[in-house]
Amino acid sequence: AQSVTQPDIHITVSEGASLELRCNYSYGATPYLFWYVQSPGQGLQLLLKYFSGDTLVQGIKGFEAEFKRSQSSFNLRKPSVHWSDAAEYFCAVGALDSSYKLIFGSGTRLLVRP
Amino acid sequence: GAVVSQHPSRVICKSGTSVKIECRSLDFQATTMFWYRQFPKQSLMLMATSNEGSKATYEQGVEKDKFLINHASLTLSTLTVTSAHPEDSSFYICSGRQGDGQPQHFGDGTRLSIL
Repeated sequence: AQSVTQPDIHITVSEGASLELRCNYSYGATPYLFWYVQSPGQGLQLLLKYFSGDTLVQGIKGFEAEFKRSQSSFNLRKPSVHWSDAAEYFCAVGALDSSYKLIFGSGTRLLVRP
Repeated sequence: GAVVSQHPSRVICKSGTSVKIECRSLDFQATTMFWYRQFPKQSLMLMATSNEGSKATYEQGVEKDKFLINHASLTLSTLTVTSAHPEDSSFYICSGRQGDGQPQHFGDGTRLSIL
């Protein structure tokens, strides 16, 4: 069965520091992969997506993610974190069947120290 | 682009009443819409998938008579929580997708509180 694992429940970084949020997936073929961000009491905003092609994808707000098939990973990175980046981040994989449902990881809460 | 509007953002009502939540895609046609439920500090739990003009497909354990979903047009889906009880209190989020394999775009959610 498809699954997504985000091993870090919380991550705290200082403002200006670099960030990497981990995401591992279990999948039988080339997946559709997504990163979403959720601010408190809000819906989810799409940061970036990977369907095929270049394994390094650029997203909004200065985020990027790299698809590594050998490691079944799709880690999210940002070179310099801003205080406004504090939020919950969800990695998701698109289901293989015709529904294309999203299977979400459990999320990583990012805290930013001033 | 790809904006989804969800309304209302917050509802407080008495136990036993029915509550309708609307989800609209403002600048694209959503052939498929999804309804999720999110408990505090948890991930999203898919409740149902609806395709325009057809009956919704509910996930295992979700009561279809309790959570009525209508997707009558390519820009509007509604979720009605019938005879709501305190245990139905939650954050409900909808999303819309333009086509197969396309990303889902989410509304801002509805905080439902049943007294």
